[in-house]
Amino acid sequence: NAGVTQTPKFQVLKTGQSMTLQCAQDMNHEYMSWYRQDPGMGLRLIHYSVGAGITDQGEVPNGYNVSRSTTEDFPLRLLSAAPSQTSVYFCASSPLAGDYNEQFFGPGTRLTVL
Amino acid sequence: LAKTTQPISMDSYEGQEVNITCSHNNIATNDYITWYQQFPSQGPRFIIQGYKTKVTNEVASLFIPADRKSSTLSLPRVSLSDTAVYYCLVDGGFQKLVFGTGTRLLVSP
Repeated sequence: NAGVTQTPKFQVLKTGQSMTLQCAQDMNHEYMSWYRQDPGMGLRLIHYSVGAGITDQGEVPNGYNVSRSTTEDFPLRLLSAAPSQTSVYFCASSPLAGDYNEQFFGPGTRLTVL
Repeated sequence: LAKTTQPISMDSYEGQEVNITCSHNNIATNDYITWYQQFPSQGPRFIIQGYKTKVTNEVASLFIPADRKSSTLSLPRVSLSDTAVYYCLVDGGFQKLVFGTGTRLLVSP
Protein backbone atom coordinates (compact mmCIF):
# COMPACT_ATOMS: atom_id res chain seq x y z
CA ASN A 1 0.00 0.00 0.00
CA ALA A 2 1.21 3.48 -0.86
CA GLY A 3 -1.00 4.94 1.88
CA VAL A 4 -1.90 8.60 1.37
CA THR A 5 -0.15 10.34 -1.49
CA GLN A 6 -0.13 14.04 -2.29
CA THR A 7 0.99 15.94 -5.35
CA PRO A 8 2.74 18.22 -5.92
CA LYS A 9 5.25 18.37 -3.03
CA PHE A 10 6.00 22.03 -3.68
CA GLN A 11 4.14 24.74 -5.57
CA VAL A 12 4.59 28.46 -6.10
CA LEU A 13 1.62 30.49 -7.32
CA LYS A 14 0.97 34.11 -8.09
CA THR A 15 -1.92 35.90 -6.45
CA GLY A 16 -5.13 35.17 -8.31
CA GLN A 17 -4.00 31.92 -9.90
CA SER A 18 -5.95 28.75 -9.38
CA MET A 19 -4.71 25.23 -8.80
CA THR A 20 -5.69 21.83 -7.51
CA LEU A 21 -3.85 19.90 -4.82
CA GLN A 22 -4.21 16.19 -5.39
CA CYS A 23 -4.74 13.60 -2.67
CA ALA A 24 -5.23 9.88 -3.12
CA GLN A 25 -5.40 6.90 -0.76
CA ASP A 26 -5.37 3.20 -1.51
CA MET A 27 -6.67 1.93 1.83
CA ASN A 28 -10.37 2.12 0.93
CA HIS A 29 -10.96 4.64 3.73
CA GLU A 30 -14.32 6.35 3.81
CA TYR A 31 -13.13 9.47 5.59
CA MET A 32 -10.76 11.98 4.01
CA SER A 33 -9.81 15.46 5.06
CA TRP A 34 -7.63 18.46 4.27
CA TYR A 35 -5.66 20.46 6.82
CA ARG A 36 -3.40 23.44 6.58
CA GLN A 37 -0.44 24.08 8.88
CA ASP A 38 1.07 27.52 9.23
CA PRO A 39 4.57 28.02 10.68
CA GLY A 40 4.75 27.14 14.37
CA MET A 41 1.08 26.25 14.45
CA GLY A 42 -1.01 23.16 14.72
CA LEU A 43 -3.15 21.82 11.91
CA ARG A 44 -6.49 23.39 11.05
CA LEU A 45 -9.25 21.48 9.29
CA ILE A 46 -10.30 22.92 5.91
CA HIS A 47 -12.80 20.41 4.48
CA TYR A 48 -13.63 16.79 5.05
CA SER A 49 -15.60 13.97 3.44
CA VAL A 50 -17.22 10.88 4.93
CA GLY A 51 -17.66 9.17 1.58
CA ALA A 52 -17.98 9.63 -2.16
CA GLY A 53 -20.37 12.46 -2.95
CA ILE A 54 -20.36 13.83 0.61
CA THR A 55 -18.26 16.79 1.74
CA ASP A 56 -18.49 19.33 4.53
CA GLN A 57 -16.66 22.37 5.82
CA GLY A 58 -14.14 22.38 8.60
CA GLU A 59 -12.71 25.22 10.63
CA VAL A 60 -11.18 27.30 7.79
CA PRO A 61 -13.02 26.55 4.50
CA ASN A 62 -13.02 29.99 2.86
CA GLY A 63 -11.12 30.14 -0.43
CA TYR A 64 -11.12 26.36 -0.92
CA ASN A 65 -13.37 23.93 -2.74
CA VAL A 66 -13.47 20.14 -2.59
CA SER A 67 -15.31 17.31 -4.25
CA ARG A 68 -15.29 13.55 -3.72
CA SER A 69 -16.27 11.62 -6.81
CA THR A 70 -14.45 8.42 -5.81
CA THR A 71 -13.43 6.80 -2.55
CA GLU A 72 -9.76 7.10 -3.47
CA ASP A 73 -9.42 10.77 -4.44
CA PHE A 74 -10.11 14.01 -2.61
CA PRO A 75 -8.71 17.04 -4.48
CA LEU A 76 -8.51 20.50 -2.93
CA ARG A 77 -9.05 23.47 -5.23
CA LEU A 78 -7.84 26.99 -4.70
CA LEU A 79 -10.00 29.17 -6.91
CA SER A 80 -8.04 32.43 -6.62
CA ALA A 81 -4.87 32.08 -4.59
CA ALA A 82 -4.02 34.69 -1.97
CA PRO A 83 -0.80 35.20 0.04
CA SER A 84 -2.74 34.21 3.18
CA GLN A 85 -3.03 30.72 1.70
CA THR A 86 0.72 30.22 1.86
CA SER A 87 0.98 27.15 4.05
CA VAL A 88 1.69 23.44 4.18
CA TYR A 89 -1.33 21.35 3.24
CA PHE A 90 -1.90 17.86 4.57
CA CYS A 91 -4.41 15.34 3.40
CA ALA A 92 -5.53 12.55 5.71
CA SER A 93 -7.74 9.49 5.55
CA SER A 94 -9.34 7.15 8.04
CA PRO A 95 -11.78 4.29 8.15
CA LEU A 96 -15.09 5.33 9.67
CA ALA A 97 -15.28 2.19 11.77
CA GLY A 98 -12.45 0.80 13.81
CA ASP A 99 -10.92 0.60 17.25
CA TYR A 100 -9.46 4.08 17.01
CA ASN A 101 -10.17 7.27 15.11
CA GLU A 102 -6.67 7.06 13.66
CA GLN A 103 -6.01 9.36 10.74
CA PHE A 104 -3.28 8.56 8.22
CA PHE A 105 -1.59 11.66 6.88
CA GLY A 106 0.11 12.29 3.56
CA PRO A 107 3.55 13.89 3.24
CA GLY A 108 2.15 17.36 2.58
CA THR A 109 2.24 20.01 -0.13
CA ARG A 110 4.18 23.20 0.57
CA LEU A 111 2.41 26.07 -1.16
CA THR A 112 3.76 29.60 -1.55
CA VAL A 113 1.55 32.35 -2.95
CA LEU A 114 3.40 35.47 -4.09
CA LEU B 1 -14.72 22.50 20.65
CA ALA B 2 -12.67 21.29 23.56
CA LYS B 3 -9.35 23.09 23.82
CA THR B 4 -6.16 21.50 25.05
CA THR B 5 -3.20 23.05 26.83
CA GLN B 6 0.23 21.46 26.83
CA PRO B 7 3.78 22.71 27.43
CA ILE B 8 5.37 24.48 24.51
CA SER B 9 8.62 22.56 24.78
CA MET B 10 10.45 19.90 26.78
CA ASP B 11 14.03 18.71 26.88
CA SER B 12 15.26 15.23 27.73
CA TYR B 13 18.23 12.92 27.34
CA GLU B 14 18.47 9.59 25.66
CA GLY B 15 17.28 6.71 27.79
CA GLN B 16 15.07 8.80 30.05
CA GLU B 17 11.31 8.51 30.43
CA VAL B 18 9.40 11.53 29.19
CA ASN B 19 5.96 12.51 30.44
CA ILE B 20 3.98 15.16 28.58
CA THR B 21 0.86 16.38 30.33
CA CYS B 22 -2.13 17.87 28.55
CA SER B 23 -5.08 19.61 30.16
CA HIS B 24 -8.56 19.50 28.61
CA ASN B 25 -10.95 20.94 31.17
CA ASN B 26 -13.94 21.07 28.81
CA ILE B 27 -13.78 17.50 27.58
CA ALA B 28 -17.20 16.06 26.76
CA THR B 29 -18.54 12.70 27.84
CA ASN B 30 -18.11 11.13 24.40
CA ASP B 31 -14.68 12.58 23.67
CA TYR B 32 -11.53 10.49 23.41
CA ILE B 33 -7.98 11.73 24.00
CA THR B 34 -5.60 11.18 21.11
CA TRP B 35 -1.91 11.91 20.69
CA TYR B 36 -0.06 12.46 17.42
CA GLN B 37 3.66 12.82 16.67
CA GLN B 38 5.01 15.04 13.91
CA PHE B 39 8.53 15.17 12.51
CA PRO B 40 9.71 18.15 10.46
CA SER B 41 8.38 18.17 6.90
CA GLN B 42 6.11 15.19 7.56
CA GLY B 43 2.46 14.68 8.33
CA PRO B 44 1.40 13.80 11.88
CA ARG B 45 1.43 10.16 12.94
CA PHE B 46 -1.02 8.57 15.36
CA ILE B 47 0.59 7.43 18.62
CA ILE B 48 -2.14 6.42 21.04
CA GLN B 49 -5.76 7.01 21.99
CA GLY B 50 -7.68 6.45 25.20
CA TYR B 51 -10.90 7.21 27.04
CA LYS B 52 -10.05 6.62 30.68
CA THR B 53 -7.50 4.99 33.02
CA LYS B 54 -4.44 3.65 31.24
CA VAL B 55 -3.71 2.59 27.69
CA THR B 56 -0.42 1.10 26.56
CA ASN B 57 0.91 0.13 23.17
CA GLU B 58 4.32 -0.69 21.79
CA VAL B 59 5.53 2.92 21.73
CA ALA B 60 3.79 4.80 24.56
CA SER B 61 1.42 4.80 27.50
CA LEU B 62 -1.46 7.15 28.11
CA PHE B 63 -2.67 7.91 31.62
CA ILE B 64 -6.09 9.48 32.11
CA PRO B 65 -7.39 10.28 35.62
CA ALA B 66 -10.97 9.67 36.63
CA ASP B 67 -12.12 13.25 36.00
CA ARG B 68 -10.59 13.10 32.48
CA LYS B 69 -9.63 16.79 32.64
CA SER B 70 -6.02 15.97 31.88
CA SER B 71 -3.93 13.22 30.38
CA THR B 72 -0.27 12.26 30.33
CA LEU B 73 1.62 10.74 27.45
CA SER B 74 4.54 8.66 28.66
CA LEU B 75 7.42 7.77 26.35
CA PRO B 76 9.73 5.18 27.93
CA ARG B 77 13.47 5.39 27.31
CA VAL B 78 13.45 8.05 24.60
CA SER B 79 16.01 8.11 21.82
CA LEU B 80 17.22 10.87 19.52
CA SER B 81 14.63 9.79 16.97
CA ASP B 82 11.84 10.75 19.38
CA THR B 83 12.68 14.42 18.86
CA ALA B 84 9.43 15.73 17.38
CA VAL B 85 6.32 17.76 18.08
CA TYR B 86 3.63 15.95 20.07
CA TYR B 87 -0.01 16.98 19.79
CA CYS B 88 -2.72 16.23 22.30
CA LEU B 89 -6.21 16.23 20.83
CA VAL B 90 -9.65 15.85 22.28
CA ASP B 91 -11.40 13.69 19.73
CA GLY B 92 -15.15 14.17 19.56
CA GLY B 93 -15.42 12.95 16.01
CA PHE B 94 -13.56 13.62 12.82
CA GLN B 95 -15.04 17.05 12.21
CA LYS B 96 -14.22 18.16 15.73
CA LEU B 97 -10.50 17.48 15.78
CA VAL B 98 -8.53 20.49 16.98
CA PHE B 99 -4.76 20.46 16.87
CA GLY B 100 -3.14 22.87 19.30
CA THR B 101 0.42 24.13 18.94
CA GLY B 102 1.83 20.94 20.41
CA THR B 103 4.88 20.22 22.58
CA ARG B 104 8.30 20.31 20.99
CA LEU B 105 10.37 17.52 22.52
CA LEU B 106 14.13 17.72 22.10
CA VAL B 107 16.11 14.61 23.02
CA SER B 108 19.82 15.11 23.47
CA PRO B 109 22.64 12.54 23.64
